[in-house]
Amino acid sequence: KNEVEQSPQNLTAQEGEFITINCSYSVGISALHWLQQHPGGGIVSLFMLSSGKKKHGRLIATINIQEKHSSLHITASHPRDSAVYICAVTTPEETSGSRLTFGEGTQLTVNP
Amino acid sequence: EAQVTQNPRYLITVTGKKLTVTCSQNMNHEYMSWYRQDPGLGLRQIYYSMNVEVTDKGDVPEGYKVSRKEKRNFPLILESPSPNQTSLYFCASARRPQPYNSPLHFGNGTRLTVT
Repeated sequence: KNEVEQSPQNLTAQEGEFITINCSYSVGISALHWLQQHPGGGIVSLFMLSSGKKKHGRLIATINIQEKHSSLHITASHPRDSAVYICAVTTPEETSGSRLTFGEGTQLTVNP
Repeated sequence: EAQVTQNPRYLITVTGKKLTVTCSQNMNHEYMSWYRQDPGLGLRQIYYSMNVEVTDKGDVPEGYKVSRKEKRNFPLILESPSPNQTSLYFCASARRPQPYNSPLHFGNGTRLTVT
């Protein structure tokens, strides 16, 4: 079982719809990241969370530490939101630093 | 402009021919790391660096080397590339070392093909 699991793997929506992507993890974390990867391949960091909720424009990210679950919401979706959304968690290492573990990503397609 | 610069963007090479993928950031970030992305496997961490002269293995370090002699540069070295290292590679940096947590900044990626 992967340490980080995302659902759904693929999501198709109509423009204007409210979208939710879920991320569940099975390890203790110090932070959770939501990343966006566009068709050209570039990756952009959307959010970094260790508790609660963050909002940026039409994007909202929430995390429930007790339930080991995070959600990424997109309100009033637009075709330009079409991308792969990746959840990643930072897990502290015993010796030094930390490691990042990624989910496999959710491919979102928003049709006009 | 604040950025992470990877070079080259595309590279085709042959088995066993040593190569280096460069990564440079101009944000004075302490943390840098390398990842590979493969279909069905997602992103996996290869190596990371908490600061100059401090490097550590990620999940898939076999066949790779790194060095952090200067804060801004973190090259990825493949001493003897093999076809199973064909992948899309990303470098990333962050202002403070994880786990103190700060957002990641990614380079544009390097698509490597080893024949």
